[in-house]
Amino acid sequence: KNQVEQSPQSLIILEGKNCTLQCNYTVSPFSNLRWYKQDTGRGPVSLTIMTFSENTKSNGRYTATLDADTKQSSLHITASQLSDSASYICVVALIFNTDKLIFGTGTRLQVFP
Amino acid sequence: DAGITQSPRYKITETGRQVTLMCHQTWSHSYMFWYRQDLGHGLRLIYYSAAADITDKGEVPDGYVVSRSKTENFPLTLESATRSQTSVYFCASRGGRDLYEQYFGPGTRLTVT
Repeated sequence: KNQVEQSPQSLIILEGKNCTLQCNYTVSPFSNLRWYKQDTGRGPVSLTIMTFSENTKSNGRYTATLDADTKQSSLHITASQLSDSASYICVVALIFNTDKLIFGTGTRLQVFP
Repeated sequence: DAGITQSPRYKITETGRQVTLMCHQTWSHSYMFWYRQDLGHGLRLIYYSAAADITDKGEVPDGYVVSRSKTENFPLTLESATRSQTSVYFCASRGGRDLYEQYFGPGTRLTVT
């Protein structure tokens, strides 16, 4: 069964600290993996999209890594800010229909001053 | 540039009523999608559309009807609302040079009493 699992479910960190969120997937065949940020009461916003041939991709203070062999991805947030408080969702697309996305349930990150 | 909008943002309706959620995008994107988001679940695809007058079922289509008479609009209708359809509904679109990127609307929170 195609699944995307994220850990931890929730995380609390202090402003300025770094953190890493994990994503494991069993989706096959795999086309690309995405990380979205979802603020409370808003729709998801894309942070990164990586195809199976990419190992890492950055978007400002956000860096995503992908290991297609172990089917794991991580999202590293550097020097966290209060505005990073949100849910972070890992999403995997199938190769034969990249619009049919498998969503993880997200990691809820709270950044405190 | 309004992007993608949804209306209403909040809706309370009674069991058995028909309700329509609206989605409008200003980018002339070919593809449009409807998702629902529930606690403990990742976003799940309800219906999607590749172009005007072309629609297809997603993962959880039962109880929903869609139409796409104009490229910019993609309404979602609950023909006879049930409590299990209480959820947050997101519309998304994709098009242009973005092969993968889906852009999400702000969501509609629907409560069925």
